[in-house]
Amino acid sequence: NAGVMQNPRHLVRRRGQEARLRCSPMKGHSHVYWYRQLPEEGLKFMVYLQKENIIDESGMPKERFSAEFPKEGPSILRIQQVVRGDSAAYFCASSPYRDHEQFFGPGTRLTVL
Amino acid sequence: SQQGEEDPQALSIQEGENATMNCSYKTSINNLQWYRQNSGRGLVHLILIRSNEREKHSGRLRVTLDTSKKSSSLLITASRAADTASYFCATDFGNEKLTFGTGTRLTIIP
Repeated sequence: NAGVMQNPRHLVRRRGQEARLRCSPMKGHSHVYWYRQLPEEGLKFMVYLQKENIIDESGMPKERFSAEFPKEGPSILRIQQVVRGDSAAYFCASSPYRDHEQFFGPGTRLTVL
Repeated sequence: SQQGEEDPQALSIQEGENATMNCSYKTSINNLQWYRQNSGRGLVHLILIRSNEREKHSGRLRVTLDTSKKSSSLLITASRAADTASYFCATDFGNEKLTFGTGTRLTIIP
């Protein structure tokens, strides 16, 4: 059973461009979570999704950020019109049901020039 | 803030010694999870302990939970150079959102 997959592993964007981060959960996992980690800090929750539904997006900035987890395919975290402050490591985690371990992917390191 | 806080922020010990890290939090939890992160890498899940549990073991790892003191500890016995990493506690307050502390940076000296 492959672990959580994220791609790309590294992404460089110029200010104003769009960034798309992909996450494929572990097989059989229908719960997906996105977290952001700034340098030398712990992870901060962004959004919790189940298939086709956003359950909790209280950690997402109100503008420019969106997330989806379609019926088919990976979960996508989309950042429009990126700014330098968006530079961070973005981690995806998955679990098979609630109140269970969350297993993390390797992360996508976004650098905004 | 409900954030878990790890203590100490940094710890250096000789290979073979035991390492103990602590985590404190402020409000009642559903479960608490410990993770390891090697520099520049993803997080590796170590142990989940639920609010009605007091101690769990996994190999050389032992986690305790004291809900009356709102604290948890992670003990790594017989440390190895490969244990060098940052260790995070993450608390689940029942809403599926893990709240992470800033981590303990553990260095094992060969």
